[in-house]
Amino acid sequence: QVQLQESGPGLVKPSETLSLTCSVSNGSISNYFLTWIRQSQGKGLEWIGHIYYTGSTTYNPSLKSRVTISVDTSKNQFSLRLSSVIAADTAVYYCSRMAGRIARGMSYFDYGLDVWGQGTTVTVSS
Amino acid sequence: DIVMTQSPDSLAVSLGERATIDCKSSRSVLHVLSNKSYLAWYQQKPGQPPKLLIYWSSTRQSGVPDRFSGSGSGTDFTLTISNVQAEDVAIYFCQQYYSSPLTFGGGTKVEIK
Repeated sequence: QVQLQESGPGLVKPSETLSLTCSVSNGSISNYFLTWIRQSQGKGLEWIGHIYYTGSTTYNPSLKSRVTISVDTSKNQFSLRLSSVIAADTAVYYCSRMAGRIARGMSYFDYGLDVWGQGTTVTVSS
Repeated sequence: DIVMTQSPDSLAVSLGERATIDCKSSRSVLHVLSNKSYLAWYQQKPGQPPKLLIYWSSTRQSGVPDRFSGSGSGTDFTLTISNVQAEDVAIYFCQQYYSSPLTFGGGTKVEIK
C-alpha cells in the first residue's frame, strides 16, 4: 500500500524558509501530480501547488512568488520550500498525489487526491 | 479561481438517518469532451488527513461504504450519507480538480444528534 510521509522542522522563524520533504514508499511517483496542501484554522484546506513526476510545476498564484516544489525521482521524494514565512503560514502541511497526465501543454487530472501523508505541523514563530 | 461553497456549515443527524451536504462551484467543472465533472469529496476525522470518498462527482473510491453517494453535474453537487453511522462523524469537503488552482469547499461538520 502506497504511503506518503512528510518530514521537516516543526518551527520556523519569521522571514526564513520553510522546507519539507515527502517520501513516497511502496509505490511509484510516475504519472502522478505530487501535491502540497496546507490546512490552517482560519483558511481551511489550501492547495499550495504540485509537480508532475517529469518536473513540471504549477503553483497557487497566492503563494507563487514564495513557493518552490521539486522532485527527486531517484529517491521517490518531492519537496516544498516556502520562503519569507510569516505567522499566517502556520498550518498543518500535507503531501498528497493525484493521478494524471500532461498532454500538449495541458494538465489532465484523474480521481482526486487519493493518498495523503499524515501531515506535519509547522509553526512560524520567533 | 473557482470558488467552492458548501452548505450547511454543520448538521446533526440521528443514527440511521440520512445526511445531505451541498457543494456549489462558481464555474462549471464539467469537462465537455469526457462528460465528467471534476469534483471530489473527502472525509476528515480529527487528527487525520482527508480521505478521498468520491471522485468524478459520483464514483466511490475503492473501499468506501456504499452508504456514501455523490450526485450532481456542472456547478451543483451533493454528498449523501444514507443510514448514518457513529463512525461517520467527521468534516466533509468538496474539491474541484477541473483547473488550477485546485480549490476546496469550506467543509461541513457532521455530528450525531
